Amino acid sequence: GAVVSQHPSWVICKSGTSVKIECRSLDFQATTMFWYRQFPKQSLMLMATSNEGSKATYEQGVEKDKFLINHASLTLSTLTVTSAHPEDSSFYICSAPSSGATGTQYFGPGTRLTVL
Amino acid sequence: EDQVTQSPEALRLQEGESSSLNCSYTVSGLRGLFWYRQDPGKGPEFLFTLYSAGEEKEKERLKATLTKKESFLHITAPKPEDSATYLCAVQENSGYALNFGKGTSLLVTP
Repeated sequence: GAVVSQHPSWVICKSGTSVKIECRSLDFQATTMFWYRQFPKQSLMLMATSNEGSKATYEQGVEKDKFLINHASLTLSTLTVTSAHPEDSSFYICSAPSSGATGTQYFGPGTRLTVL
Repeated sequence: EDQVTQSPEALRLQEGESSSLNCSYTVSGLRGLFWYRQDPGKGPEFLFTLYSAGEEKEKERLKATLTKKESFLHITAPKPEDSATYLCAVQENSGYALNFGKGTSLLVTP
């Protein structure tokens, strides 16, 4: 199956700082990637769709100025949590479809963010 | 109103005790239904994609089926290593996003 990596796997930061999370498709190209957030004991909630070479599309209720997404190449998307606060602490997971935007989505291993 | 409902929320099985997990969905047009396995602290691992009613797919001890309203994940003679949360997600014709259910947490005891 297709492989998606994320970096870092976990990060702890102080309130008010910014954190960048990378998502890479290792063995395929992805013009579209997706960012999800998962709170404890809950399922995955889509935050935004990352589009290579164009602006990201955010789900209702997700602040685009707080969660900055950049899809700079066909294998890399980044999510930057700006001015992080404790309520942003969560498990952030990216996914990429291996064949077209509607194809099966393969997920990264996730990034655990803890904001103190 | 939830579009994807999974049941039961939690299931405990003895090793070798077969069972089924349910995923019921309500969408206007289904592009695909996906099953994933998620271990604690990890990202979901892809299992199956089903596209049309009547379709079935198998992988080792797992078999997924699809009707117009629901999908079942059958687990035959499970082993302790099958313990995980199983997630169901639907993708509508109108978009790319996956809408996930809350998952079924499966525990298989020796």
